[in-house]
Amino acid sequence: QSVLTQPASVSGSPGQSIAISCTGTSSDVGGYNYVSWYQQHPGKAPKLMIYDVSNRPSGVPDRFSGSKSGNTASLTISGLQAEDEADYYCSSYMTSTTLDVVFGGGTKLTVL
Amino acid sequence: EVQLVQSGAEVKKPGESLKISCKASGYSFTTYWIGWVRQMPGKGLEWMGLIFPGDSHTRYSPSLQGHVTISADKSISTAYLQWSSLKASDTAMYYCARPQYGSADYWGQGTLVTVYS
Repeated sequence: QSVLTQPASVSGSPGQSIAISCTGTSSDVGGYNYVSWYQQHPGKAPKLMIYDVSNRPSGVPDRFSGSKSGNTASLTISGLQAEDEADYYCSSYMTSTTLDVVFGGGTKLTVL
Repeated sequence: EVQLVQSGAEVKKPGESLKISCKASGYSFTTYWIGWVRQMPGKGLEWMGLIFPGDSHTRYSPSLQGHVTISADKSISTAYLQWSSLKASDTAMYYCARPQYGSADYWGQGTLVTVYS
């Protein structure tokens, strides 16, 4: 069981907006502005989509945005496209583990 | 351009040893942590451990400490993940990645390790 809790699946139609939540505690998500999000297509390596809660690396479309409220972070994808169908993982810095970093369990996004 | 290039897929038998590699380029290898992430078939991502190549300081997930060894050769900018005795449950995709404060900005392409008798 992951320290960070994500819904197992979400779905949406092309053009719609969806949000994926990532719930932790004050020792990780709530305590630091170091939440990141990854997109993983089948058979591919994860790709960083959001870092430091709401920052996008160069090349990531602005349809992807991140936010945080208390112990819950969210990834919002607006204007859903077929190629957004993938697994999404959140990650957070945390100080209560040896490695200082932990992933959520992952969310499967289906574009209907 | 930062790149992490991993060694190729491996097929091994239980009890055999294995060392896979991750060659870094495009940045100062000795000034960033680098780590290994496991993804078991159909499952999520899990950090296994980290190494700081500048001084070889290593940190391991408590669930994996003692079963794997992470090392680095800074002369060739390469990190390694090693097993002395593989189990069938080690079958997984393994990624190297460069972590910084809760995020990993660069990833290798992955190395598939299959262990079966």
